[in-house]
This record gives sequence, C-alpha cells and structure tokens, in this order.
Amino acid sequence: GQQVMQIPQYQHVQEGEDFTTYCNSSTTLSNIQWYKQRPGGHPVFLIQLVKSGEVKKQKRLTFQFGEAKKNSSLHITATQTTDVGTYFCAVQADRGSTLGRLYFGRGTQLTVWP
Amino acid sequence: NAGVTQTPKFQVLKTGQSMTLQCAQDMNHNSMYWYRQDPGMGLRLIYYSASEGTTDKGEVPNGYNVSRLNKREFSLRLESAAPSQTSVYFCASSRTPQGSPLHFGNGTRLTVT
Repeated sequence: GQQVMQIPQYQHVQEGEDFTTYCNSSTTLSNIQWYKQRPGGHPVFLIQLVKSGEVKKQKRLTFQFGEAKKNSSLHITATQTTDVGTYFCAVQADRGSTLGRLYFGRGTQLTVWP
Repeated sequence: NAGVTQTPKFQVLKTGQSMTLQCAQDMNHNSMYWYRQDPGMGLRLIYYSASEGTTDKGEVPNGYNVSRLNKREFSLRLESAAPSQTSVYFCASSRTPQGSPLHFGNGTRLTVT
C-alpha cells in the first residue's frame, strides 16, 4: 500500500508556541489532504494541496506541499487550546494506485497546555 | 442536511457473533468508504466504493464484507466477530473518488469480547 510517514506522533506545547507536523511519502503524490480530529470526534477536512510547492494559509495554519510532491507540512503559529486534537495527512499516489484509495498517516496528537 | 449518518454508535459483541454497521449520506456523493481507527494506527481503509455498483478492498479487508445498497447507503458486515475487530469504525463519503475531501460520520465504537 501507499507508504506515508507522519511525524512526530505526539507533540506537547505551551499555549502560544508554534507547532509543526510533517508527512513524507516514498512515491510522488497526486494530492495531499489534511484533517483534524478532536478528542472523541471524527476527522474533519482542513485543506487539500495539489500543486508542486503549493502554500496555503488558513488563519494561523500554514500548509505546504513539497516541490517533488512527496512531502507536506502543517504549521500552526501561536497555538491555542482550541488547536488540541490529532492532525492527519491523507494521500493518493500520482500513479499506480487504485482509484479511490486514500491512505492516512498515523497522525500527530497535539496537546496544548494553557 | 445530516451529512453522513452511522448506526449504531456503540456495540458490544461476543466472539463469533455477526452484525452490520449501517451508513447513509445525503450529499449525493458518488464514493463511500469504511475506515477503522485503532490507537496509534491512524485510519486504515477497510473497503471503499468509488461509485454506485462497485466495491473494492482497502488495506485491511479480511473479516469484513460490504454492500453498496444504493447511492446513499454503504453497509459493513462482520460475519464472525473477533476481538481483533474491536475498534472505532468510521464511514465517509466524497463527491468523487479522486481529489475530493472526505466527509466522515460520527463513528461506531465496537467492542468484541
């Protein structure tokens, strides 16, 4: 199956600190999606990146897609307690994958201390 | 609109029992998915249906069967439950099978004793 590594697995920060999670693939990706799951909740779509080198921002969240379309990052500036949850990347390969297969990374669980 | 609705929310089974998890979406999406989530393992794809009338295996299909009953409904069946199938199950749907965001249901927490 599609290999996608997501690091770190856990991150504990104090409110106001920055946070970054990384997603790395062994193959070229057609696109990458990011999701957030609050404790006890279900994953909620945040954003999709499609173009090589793409950068998108949503308020304090910055998403980047690597030039080679094999890696991506999510950066949160000045974390707040509302950012608590697990952040997942999800990928579809650029070629060779069965249509519809979306593979999730294992997620980064973010804890924010007030 | 309800989005993606899963039933039941909780279920306890004994080893060997069978059950069907139901999922329905009201967004006129073409593609539907079943994932399981275990601690530290992320979301793993069990089965998916790229469009009405088609189903395909995902990463962990063993022990499960699915039925795409119509465009709205996609059910997951456990014929003979095992403790290893204790997990949280999420159904999801998307407008197209490639490049569309997934909309998830609230999940079913299944315990097999």
